[in-house]
Amino acid sequence: EAGVAQSPRYKIIEKRQSVAFWCNPISGHATLYWYQQILGQGPKLLIQFQNNGVVDDSQLPKDRFSAERLKGVDSTLKIQPAKLEDSAVYLCASSLQGDYEQYFGPGTRLTVT
Amino acid sequence: ELKVEQNPLFLSMQEGKNYTIYCNYSTTSDRLYWYRQDPGKSLESLFVLLSNGAVKQEGRLMASLDTKARLSTLHITAAVHDLSATYFCAVDKPSGYALNFGKGTSLLVTP
Repeated sequence: EAGVAQSPRYKIIEKRQSVAFWCNPISGHATLYWYQQILGQGPKLLIQFQNNGVVDDSQLPKDRFSAERLKGVDSTLKIQPAKLEDSAVYLCASSLQGDYEQYFGPGTRLTVT
Repeated sequence: ELKVEQNPLFLSMQEGKNYTIYCNYSTTSDRLYWYRQDPGKSLESLFVLLSNGAVKQEGRLMASLDTKARLSTLHITAAVHDLSATYFCAVDKPSGYALNFGKGTSLLVTP
């Protein structure tokens, strides 16, 4: 069974530029999460989707971050404009509906210069 | 605000020694997760503890949960170099299964 796929794996941009990350969850997984992991810290939830609806986006900086999950499968996380403090690894995870076990993707490492 | 605190944050230990990592949390969650992360890699699930008194063991690692004390421990027995990694504990957020992580314990096992 294929795992959670993310792309790109690495991205370097200048501040004030925009960037987008893509996540393809495990087939059949209705729940999708985006986490931000700043160096030296634990991951922090940005947004949780159930199918294509948002369950929790309370920690998403909505002035610059946006996310969508069209058709309840793939998801895209966008940052516009990026700030230096957005440098982090962005992890996508998915799970079956109603299941607590999450499967994490390899992450996208973003560096903002 | 939900808090998850781990200690120590850094741990250097010799091969063959035993040690315990502690995880305290501030909610009444009955589920506690332990993950391992190697440098530049994603998170690998180690244990999911589902109820008070739960104990799980895998190789040299053993995790336990005391929901009344809101405390979980990850015990390392006879450490080997391959255990060098960062270990995170996490609990569910009240809104569902999204996770709230601690800051992680960076473990280095030396000869």
